Amino acid sequence: DGGITQSPKYLFRKEGQNVTLSCEQNLNHDAMYWYRQDPGQGLRLIYYSQIVNDFQKGDIAEGYSVSREKKESFPLTVTSAQKNPTAFYLCASSIQGHGATEAFFGQGTRLTVV
Amino acid sequence: AQSVSQHNHHVILSEAASLELGCNYSYGGTVNLFWYVQYPGQHLQLLLKYFSGDPLVKGIKGFEAEFIKSKFSFNLRKPSVQWSDTAEYFCAVMGYSSASKIIFGSGTRLSIRP
Repeated sequence: DGGITQSPKYLFRKEGQNVTLSCEQNLNHDAMYWYRQDPGQGLRLIYYSQIVNDFQKGDIAEGYSVSREKKESFPLTVTSAQKNPTAFYLCASSIQGHGATEAFFGQGTRLTVV
Repeated sequence: AQSVSQHNHHVILSEAASLELGCNYSYGGTVNLFWYVQYPGQHLQLLLKYFSGDPLVKGIKGFEAEFIKSKFSFNLRKPSVQWSDTAEYFCAVMGYSSASKIIFGSGTRLSIRP
């Protein structure tokens, strides 16, 4: 079945460590997104990418990094510079422009800093 | 810049009451609009979407939304809510261009009293 796979579902990190969250899609979508969800703040855009080897910062990119080496993969690294990394992270993909679609979401990764 | 405002943070209704959740957006061009729902412990699901055509769109589970371009609004409605509608609801906007991102509002938590 087509969809978006995020792994792991739960992740624990010690302070000062970088950690990478995986996101893979087999929907052949060009656009991919990373959001952070915190209670009362909705989904805030961290980074997005519309094409391989290109990505743009969202509203809260500080302390995060991404890569887009393949169309189907858009991993997010939470670096030690992110001051408050404990959150629920959602990856999404969509078709943009002509024939645009809604965003399709993965199941999310809950990151806890211990 | 794109932005979305959801003015109701928490709405409490009794079963069979009518529902209207507000959503206003800001974007200087043609938009695609969405409502997503997140039931407790579940991932985000699309309720309905507007791309073009009839500004009154119908979605799943008896929900509908009306796009009023002059008011930059896309309010969600349901004539009679059920206890199972308890969830968090997110409005989102995507500007209609190849460089657009999908921006979400802060969400409205809906609690239905049985």
